Amino acid sequence: DQQVKQNSPSLSVQEGRISILNCDYTNSMFDYFLWYKKYPAEGPTFLISISSIKDKNEDGRFTVFLNKSAKHLSLHIVPSQPGDSAVYFCAASDITGGADGLTFGKGTHLIIQP
Amino acid sequence: NAGVTQTPKFQVLKTGQSMTLQCAQDMNHEYMSWYRQDPGMGLRLIHYSVGAGITDQGEVPNGYNVSRSTTEDFPLRLLSAAPSQTSVYFCASSYRNTNTGELFFGEGSRLTVL
Repeated sequence: DQQVKQNSPSLSVQEGRISILNCDYTNSMFDYFLWYKKYPAEGPTFLISISSIKDKNEDGRFTVFLNKSAKHLSLHIVPSQPGDSAVYFCAASDITGGADGLTFGKGTHLIIQP
Repeated sequence: NAGVTQTPKFQVLKTGQSMTLQCAQDMNHEYMSWYRQDPGMGLRLIHYSVGAGITDQGEVPNGYNVSRSTTEDFPLRLLSAAPSQTSVYFCASSYRNTNTGELFFGEGSRLTVL
């Protein structure tokens, strides 16, 4: 049973427009959520995170929104740039700091078109 | 900055062979973990450790052993390789308690079992 779901395997967005990546979760014990970005042949790199006590966290062009009642979070990238083309993984943890392992979604391949 | 270093980057094994994937980090992180990434499956946790001498199983531990004799090193052993273990393996580390939940990943080790 998949506890973290990214239902869009891929997403194509024009350069300069907004990219919205979605993630749903089923485990009510999750209280910390993270987004990772992965380029081919590299390890994932941390992008942004949000605690369950917040509904929004912003870092430059990246904003994560959390809707706890819907068990849904989304990553907004504005404006989208060619370097944003990558696979994005949503991850969740039920212990602050992910110390006992993160549960990852399957990833969404974001393609930014010129 | 070395960060998380994995060796080897590529390995081909025959069914039944054993091998060890090495992982070392130089950030004095308490927490270390191993994930495998398979097409369409995202990242799945194999084993993790919250400190030297302490290890625990993740989501997919069968066929793998780990040990944590030092803070820096967390090797992953395949006892008798099977084709189902063909995957890309990522080692990750973090502080035990972080503000962001961020994991630092190595570049990955691609393993093929024939």
